[in-house]
Amino acid sequence: ETGVTQTPRHLVMGMTNKKSLKCEQHLGHNAMYWYKQSAKKPLELMFVYSLEERVENNSVPSRFSPECPNSSHLFLHLHTLQPEDSALYLCASSRSSGTDYEQYFGPGTRLTVT
Amino acid sequence: AQSVTQLGSHVSVSEGALVLLRCNYSSSVPPYLFWYVQYPNQGLQLLLKYTTGATLVKGINGFEAEFKKSETSFHLTKPSAHMSDAAEYFCAVTYTGGFKTIFGAGTRLFVKA
Repeated sequence: ETGVTQTPRHLVMGMTNKKSLKCEQHLGHNAMYWYKQSAKKPLELMFVYSLEERVENNSVPSRFSPECPNSSHLFLHLHTLQPEDSALYLCASSRSSGTDYEQYFGPGTRLTVT
Repeated sequence: AQSVTQLGSHVSVSEGALVLLRCNYSSSVPPYLFWYVQYPNQGLQLLLKYTTGATLVKGINGFEAEFKKSETSFHLTKPSAHMSDAAEYFCAVTYTGGFKTIFGAGTRLFVKA
């Protein structure tokens, strides 16, 4: 596979469930990102990892827990979510963070919380 | 706070007409500027970027953008719209030393036959 992949593409979960989103990049990048995209709202940056170290956490509720075991993989662990957490969750990667390097996005996971 | 403003959440043009999507950013430091496009059920894809040098940058699919420092703008244009250009377009800015890219709210482009 090439580029940035995300699994699953669609996820429906109840408020008491625990699930994880997975992101994998095959581009040799050093930075990875989680974004939340909701209807009628700007793209919201959730977390940034640079060289496997979290460098940005935008006041995200603790029910979202990121994990970056190596520079190619990024996870978002979900538990006790709320209906307002339903959104498209996008993963991205770049050669480095905070520079002129563009980000490469995965296709997203469409999350529905019931 | 740093911000990116895209004027117009929706823009509608006829096929063959000029496309103009507006983007302004707020900052006193030199930015790196990007335009991304998102097609339905897909992630964002880079159209073009400005880092340094020539202020008129050309991207994929016939799009181009001009960096105007005095106006803090980075508007996206295409001389002739095609039906396949219908998508959502995002302007974004990154600053040296920061760890995040700031995205605009997006502009949805409709192309009428």
